[in-house]
Amino acid sequence: GAGVSQSPRYKVAKRGQDVALRCDPISGHVSLFWYQQALGQGPEFLTYFQNEAQLDKSGLPSDRFFAERPEGSVSTLKIQRTQQEDSAVYLCASGQTGQPQHFGDGTRLSIL
Amino acid sequence: RKEVEQDPGPFNVPEGATVAFNCTYSNSASQSFFWYRQDCRKEPKLLMSVYSSGNEDGRFTAQLNRASQYISLLIRDSKLSDSATYLCVVRGWNSGYSTLTFGKGTMLLVSP
Repeated sequence: GAGVSQSPRYKVAKRGQDVALRCDPISGHVSLFWYQQALGQGPEFLTYFQNEAQLDKSGLPSDRFFAERPEGSVSTLKIQRTQQEDSAVYLCASGQTGQPQHFGDGTRLSIL
Repeated sequence: RKEVEQDPGPFNVPEGATVAFNCTYSNSASQSFFWYRQDCRKEPKLLMSVYSSGNEDGRFTAQLNRASQYISLLIRDSKLSDSATYLCVVRGWNSGYSTLTFGKGTMLLVSP
C-alpha cells in the first residue's frame, strides 16, 4: 500500500538482546519521526530525520537507542541490550514539512 | 507537569449521548493543535485540526482558547464506532521543523 510500513509487527526478545525495527515511510516524504508509546500513554517523541540527517535525537531515552536513515528513505531504530522498560509500541511517522504526519501500525516490542 | 494534559478516562456513554473532552497545554509558543483518534492496537489517525475560531466536522466540534491554553472536543450523537482513545496533540516548531507532543489520551466507550 501507499502508507507507512513498519516491520516486524510484533517482536519478542529476551532481556539483553539487541533488536532492530524497520520503517518504510511514504515515498517522497522528507520528514520521519520515531515515537515510543507505553501502555496507557500517548506516543512520546524519540527522534526526527529530515531526509538522511538526524536533526533531533533528544527523545532517545538512553545511549542504547540508535536510529539511522542512511539514504533518506527507510529508517531503522536499534535498541541494544534491551531492558524490560523498553517494552512498548514503537511508532514511525512520515510527512512533508508543515503537513500532518502519517503513522505506521507500529512494532509491538515485548522484552521478557 | 506534562506538556499536554487530558481528562483521565475512560468515558462510558450510551449511544446518542454528547460527550466532551478537555485538554490543556503548557507551552504558550505552541502553533497548531489537533485531535487524533487511536483504535485499540492501531496507529493514531488525525481526526481534525483545531482552530481558534472553532471548527466543526459533522458530529465533531473542536475549540481552542489560546489565552487559557485549552482545547476541547465535543462529540454529538455518539455512535458505537466512536469508541476509541482520543489524543490531544500540540505542534511546535523547533529550528525549522515541527514536533508533535501528545497527551496521554482519553478512552471513550460507547455502549448500546
